Parts: sequence; C-alpha cells; structure tokens
Amino acid sequence: QVQLVESGGGVVQPGRSLRLSCAASGFTFSSYAMHWVRQAPGKGLEWVASMSYEGSDNDHAASVKGRFTISRDNSKNTLFLQLNSLGPEDTAVYFCAKGTTRFGNFAEDCFDSWGQGALVTVSS
Amino acid sequence: DFQMTQSPATLSASVGDTVTITCRTSQSIRNWLAWYQQKPGKAPQLLIYDASSLQSGVPSRFTGSGSGTEFTLTISSLQPDDFTTYYCQSYNTSPTYTFGQGTKLEIK
Repeated sequence: QVQLVESGGGVVQPGRSLRLSCAASGFTFSSYAMHWVRQAPGKGLEWVASMSYEGSDNDHAASVKGRFTISRDNSKNTLFLQLNSLGPEDTAVYFCAKGTTRFGNFAEDCFDSWGQGALVTVSS
Repeated sequence: DFQMTQSPATLSASVGDTVTITCRTSQSIRNWLAWYQQKPGKAPQLLIYDASSLQSGVPSRFTGSGSGTEFTLTISSLQPDDFTTYYCQSYNTSPTYTFGQGTKLEIK
C-alpha cells in the first residue's frame, strides 16, 4: 500500500528557508516521477514542482522558480522540497504526490497517491 | 499564456441527480486532462485520467469526456459522499501542470 508522509512544515519568518521531506513506502520509489502541489488556506490547488524518476530532470512553477528546489534520494525513498526566500504568499499546505506511470515522463503524469500534507506558515 | 477555466465555481444538486462540470483550455491539450475529488481537510483523489479513463477503484458513475479544449466530468446518481470539491488538471503543457479553479458541489 502506497504511503507518503510529509514532514518539515512549520512557522517561518519571511525571507527564511525551510526544507520539506516526503518519505515514501509501499512502491518502488525510484521507478516513479514525484511531484509537489500546494494549497493556500481556503484556496485551490497549485502545482509547485516535479522530478523525473531517476532524478535527472525537473521543473518548477514560475511562482517558485529560483526560490524552491525539488530533489530526491532514491536510496532513501525520500522526496525533498527546499523552500528559500519565503514570503506570506507561500503559506500553504504542501502535498507530495506520486506519478501514475512507471518510468513515465514526469511532465505527462497524473498524481495517483498523495500525502496528508505539511503546513507551511510564513509570518513574522 | 496557457489558461484553464473551470465552471461552475459552485453547483447545487440533490442526491440522485446527474451533474456536469466543465473545463476549457486556451489551447488544445489533446486528451491530457485529469479530474480530482478533494474532501475537506484531505488530499485530492484521482478520478479520471487521459480525459476519459477511470482510475482504478473509482465508481463508474464518474465519467470524463472531451478532447482538445473542452472537457467535462459527469457524475450520475449523486451519492451523499459526492458533495465536495472537484478539480481538473492539465498535463504535458506549458506550464507543465495547471489546475482548474475548482467546483464545489453542494447539496440543494
């Protein structure tokens, strides 16, 4: 059974950094693209970043490009999101999600399993 | 710039009804569209992928259709558990992924 568990969320001051982790189990982590999606309080879903299954390719939304970085450690079955230069607009629940297709293209994917989310609050 | 418009924002219906939610895109995305259901305080759940393929375990009362720039999610014989929020999502586009604004399905 697929399980994704996010950690690392919390309250952080504007301009500071945070690193989110997503521990995966129940599937062959190194065979699937992985993704981050966020949801601001009371708002809709926003794609944040995606990474290929082997970790060689990635993409980020324009709203976070240059500030956030997705990475993964396939030896530890863990996905990461480094959040730098945080602003109040980054306050959200951050979900990690598993891609649907084994060895698939990370840009041609659906998200078939999700974690419970990690809340990041940016406030002074 | 790529635009996705999901409508309506809110939809009122009764148990047993059939409803339709629409997503329109500013350029053709072939069939690269998915639909998700999200219950309050929970992560989204994939319902439909490739515009019309039913995700494993999802009830057959959920039907996706469309291609190009116009897509629909139809939910027939509404059950009490269906009254929640739905999102469409494009993929293999620029930007890579875009979610619709969401549709809240309410009990009339």
